[in-house]
Amino acid sequence: KAGVTQTPRYLIKTRGQQVTLSCSPISGHRSVSWYQQTPGQGLQFLFEYFSETQRNKGNFPGRFSGRQFSNSRSEMNVSTLELGDSALYLCASSPGLAGGTDTQYFGPGTRLTVL
Amino acid sequence: DAKTTQPTSMDCAEGRAANLPCNHSTISGNEYVYWYRQIHSQGPQYIIHGLKNNETNEMASLIITEDRKSSTLILPHATLRDTAVYYCIVRVGRAGGTSYGKLTFGQGTILTVHP
Repeated sequence: KAGVTQTPRYLIKTRGQQVTLSCSPISGHRSVSWYQQTPGQGLQFLFEYFSETQRNKGNFPGRFSGRQFSNSRSEMNVSTLELGDSALYLCASSPGLAGGTDTQYFGPGTRLTVL
Repeated sequence: DAKTTQPTSMDCAEGRAANLPCNHSTISGNEYVYWYRQIHSQGPQYIIHGLKNNETNEMASLIITEDRKSSTLILPHATLRDTAVYYCIVRVGRAGGTSYGKLTFGQGTILTVHP
């Protein structure tokens, strides 16, 4: 099975712009979660989607949003970019089962640099 | 989800077993122990998980103490490619509300395997 894919792998934007990142989950997986990783804050949970619905959300401002399509592919959008949004954005997919047996598998990430 | 405590860093000689400890003294009965690792700037890689029994797969073994307050990840024959940050995560066994899709990462253990 192919793994989780994320596009683009690298992105450079300027402050005030917006950006859209894409994630294709493992075939058959219905849950997609997004994380932000920075040197200062580590890995932090952004949100999770299952069957096109956001089920859970982390503590991030409204500038961070996402959506999921009927084929389980997901996008996240960051509007009005700030310098602090420079980070590695990671997507993880899982079958979407209940709780502890729902193992997440991560993609390679998108490295976003905001100038 | 329960909090975990891991040593900041550890060293291991190539070919020897690497034993990475994790303390999760406040773990609840329905919480699973997960291990991931992250090689520099790549997405985290799932290693293994367990509830209360010891687990083994092709990558590693997971030993959970009888009281479930701590666990040890064992890489039986470490190689240079095992150099990475290893994360121990405790995750609730039943999904719902704030647990959907969310993995809470700490700072992890930097494992350095040397020749």
